[in-house]
Amino acid sequence: DTEVTQTPKHLVMGMTNKKSLKCEQHMGHRAMYWYKQKAKKPPELMFVYSYEKLSINESVPSRFSPECPNSSLLNLHLHALQPEDSALYLCASSPGAGYTFGSGTRLTVV
Amino acid sequence: QKEVEQNSGPLSVPEGAIASLNCTYSDRGSQSFFWYRQYSGKSPELIMFIYSNGDKEDGRFTAQLNKASQYVSLLIRDSQPSDSATYLCAVNQNDMRFGAGTRLTVKP
Repeated sequence: DTEVTQTPKHLVMGMTNKKSLKCEQHMGHRAMYWYKQKAKKPPELMFVYSYEKLSINESVPSRFSPECPNSSLLNLHLHALQPEDSALYLCASSPGAGYTFGSGTRLTVV
Repeated sequence: QKEVEQNSGPLSVPEGAIASLNCTYSDRGSQSFFWYRQYSGKSPELIMFIYSNGDKEDGRFTAQLNKASQYVSLLIRDSQPSDSATYLCAVNQNDMRFGAGTRLTVKP
């Protein structure tokens, strides 16, 4: 298995909703990442988990809450988002260098 | 100064030509360098990585690294319309930092 699987692929949520994005990999990679990508912009790092511990939080608003239940799973919990949070959310994993990205979740906040 | 800089393009080349994509980075201590291809609406896909000064070839792709000049490039030989995409240069420091990307169009 050489893939990073993200669910759902598309998500529309209201500003008062709570939802979660999920990411799964079975490549034994010990580093996992959340990136946010707006249209025609590069991916922006949000969070880094290394050996299931949060190692980098790029000053992301608290309405985004990451969770790493085990070495294969990464979640991003969403609450009270704003329309400007609409973007493609990418999960990636890495054995140390060179990332494998999931197909992303296209999030629209209405 | 941005950490990783690329010409945003767009870059347009005819089919069969060589496409040349360039990237500079600011952290002289960076050790590993990557090129990702991203089709519209899709996630980035790793196509090349390079760690040492010089050239690295993989099929139609050649990555070039010059650490003294803090410069990385990607050459695509015999460009095909299917190569039309945005190419992201990335530098791995403690984590991956991306350039803004260069949009490449290969015209039949």
